[in-house]
Amino acid sequence: EVQLVQSGAEVKKPGESLRISCKGSGYGFTTSWIAWVRQQPGKGLEWVGTIYPADSNTRYSPSFQGQVTISVDKSISTAYLQWSSLRASDTAIYYCAKADWQYYFNFWGQGALVTVSS
Amino acid sequence: EIVLTQSPATLSLSPGDTATLSCRASQSISAFLAWYQQKPGQAPRLLIFDATNRATDVPARFSGRGSGTDFTLTISSLEPEDFAVYYCQQRYNWPLCSFGQGTRLEIK
Repeated sequence: EVQLVQSGAEVKKPGESLRISCKGSGYGFTTSWIAWVRQQPGKGLEWVGTIYPADSNTRYSPSFQGQVTISVDKSISTAYLQWSSLRASDTAIYYCAKADWQYYFNFWGQGALVTVSS
Repeated sequence: EIVLTQSPATLSLSPGDTATLSCRASQSISAFLAWYQQKPGQAPRLLIFDATNRATDVPARFSGRGSGTDFTLTISSLEPEDFAVYYCQQRYNWPLCSFGQGTRLEIK
């Protein structure tokens, strides 16, 4: 069974750093692209970026380039999304999603709520 | 950057009605478009890929049409569980992609 299990909810202050995770199982982790998608409260889905675990080839949405870093640890089948300095506007649910062979997102993590507040 | 524009923002219909949702791309994306359904508190679910193909276990009342810049998701004979938010997504220039802003399908 394919599963993407994300880390839990986080509450942080502006300026703090954070790394959230997404652990894949039940499929070939290194050969399936993984994306991160943001959903701010009451808003729509926004593509953040995508990584190919086999070679860490990563592409970012222009809106998120330089604001976040996506990485992967193949040895533990886990992808990461990290911030070096959080802002209140980063408050959102962040989903990881696995792309199928046709590059659509057929499996999603449960989402991780990140709250940034002073 | 390819921008997807969905319309209408909100669609109010009754169970048994037919829903027609639109997604327009800022440039031609061939047929590289998907539709997702999201219910409150849940992750999105893939419904349609490559504009017209139903994903696994998606009921036949969901159908997709279109190519180039104009796409449609049609939901025939609406069931109570179909009332949700629907998003289109393009993958024309993968690994870049983008989502539309969503259409909320609500009970009239």
